[in-house]
Amino acid sequence: GESVGLHLPTLSVQEGDNSIINCAYSNSASDYFIWYKQESGKGPQFIIDIRSNMDKRQGQRVTVLLNKTVKHLSLQIAATQPGDSAVYFCAERESGTASKLTFGTGTRLQVTL
Amino acid sequence: NAGVTQTPKFQVLKTGQSMTLQCAQDMNHNSMYWYRQDPGMGLRLIYYSASEGTTDKGEVPNGYNVSRLNKREFSLRLESAAPSQTSVYFCASFPPTGRIEKLFFGSGTQLSVL
Repeated sequence: GESVGLHLPTLSVQEGDNSIINCAYSNSASDYFIWYKQESGKGPQFIIDIRSNMDKRQGQRVTVLLNKTVKHLSLQIAATQPGDSAVYFCAERESGTASKLTFGTGTRLQVTL
Repeated sequence: NAGVTQTPKFQVLKTGQSMTLQCAQDMNHNSMYWYRQDPGMGLRLIYYSASEGTTDKGEVPNGYNVSRLNKREFSLRLESAAPSQTSVYFCASFPPTGRIEKLFFGSGTQLSVL
């Protein structure tokens, strides 16, 4: 079946730098994408989402970019802080499947001082 | 506090034992889900319930059963636990259609089957 994957399993970033976490998806029928953050011992938490009719969406210190041509999704975190250290998952939803999400394998973000 | 509550947080079982993982949400959400999370893999959907009274299989339903007891509660049962079911289990709920679509996750149940 089709799946969502991530390019880098671990990303180390210095505090204050910007972070970019990438995600490749293969299901061209997906119409909705979400980024989740999971801290150790906790459940995933919603960060930001984007629909397929958009290319970019910004939140507080986070930006999600969607390139449908190459089926690529990225999460940009500005001025990375130690509290941003976590595993980040992208998830996609296939159009017409209501509320079923397919998750990627996750990228661990390590923020160094 | 509003949210998704899972019990227990930790459980150790012997092969062949049975147990039920409990999940409750107090946000009046219609849809509820059970995921498992294994090392190096993304969350995989076991079962979901789009509304009270309905349940459907997800990606990895074998070895599990679910019950949507009422709108608030969605339980996951392992009838005969196997070592392959060692995992972290997450329950989640989803707002009604038309609202911001986000899954709200519980804090997880770490299950070990020996």
